[in-house]
Amino acid sequence: GQQLNQSPQSMFIQEGEDVSMNCTSSSIFNTWLWYKQDPGEGPVLLIALYKAGELTSNGRLTAQFGITRKDSFLNISASIPSDVGIYFCAGQLRNNDMRFGAGTRLTVKP
Amino acid sequence: EPEVTQTPSHQVTQMGQEVILRCVPISNHLYFYWYRQILGQKVEFLVSFYNNEISEKSEIFDDQFSVERPDGSNFTLKIRSTKLEDSAMYFCASNRREGQPQHFGDGTRLSIL
Repeated sequence: GQQLNQSPQSMFIQEGEDVSMNCTSSSIFNTWLWYKQDPGEGPVLLIALYKAGELTSNGRLTAQFGITRKDSFLNISASIPSDVGIYFCAGQLRNNDMRFGAGTRLTVKP
Repeated sequence: EPEVTQTPSHQVTQMGQEVILRCVPISNHLYFYWYRQILGQKVEFLVSFYNNEISEKSEIFDDQFSVERPDGSNFTLKIRSTKLEDSAMYFCASNRREGQPQHFGDGTRLSIL
């Protein structure tokens, strides 16, 4: 249960382009989170969303918590080489436990 | 900024041996978690721990696994008799209150030979 479907699996973009990725689930989550993972490191929190419909920005990153509480998207504007990495969505349940999507591997070509 | 720290960064163990992975959560956090990430795959929930007991565990967390908070700062994951398929990155995470984002350590890479 509580499976998250994240897409796309990978993206190859030119520096300066905008990026969009999303997650959907058949389950309702209390909180949606987006993490970034660099090679050999743990996931680092980018954005946390707490209310249905919430739209939150963190620099060039913007994320939204879907109205149904079953989906979320992450946009990155004007990508730069250091945006390279794997981006994971995560849904947090009422009991505090978290489930991750499969990740989107982002490659940015200079 | 406070961090979750994990040791060792890499553990190589013979199949069938016991292994203990160690974590020091952020000091004022009350909820603790272990996750596993097989190479190239997503992060999978193993277990959550609060008030000195397991809150929830996944189907991965079978009788070979156990967790312990032996003192006021450490949180450990023990695998009793390791199997080849236990090879993965193991991440510890913590948060202070329910609903707050979890903060992750950099993980322990476990290699079973």
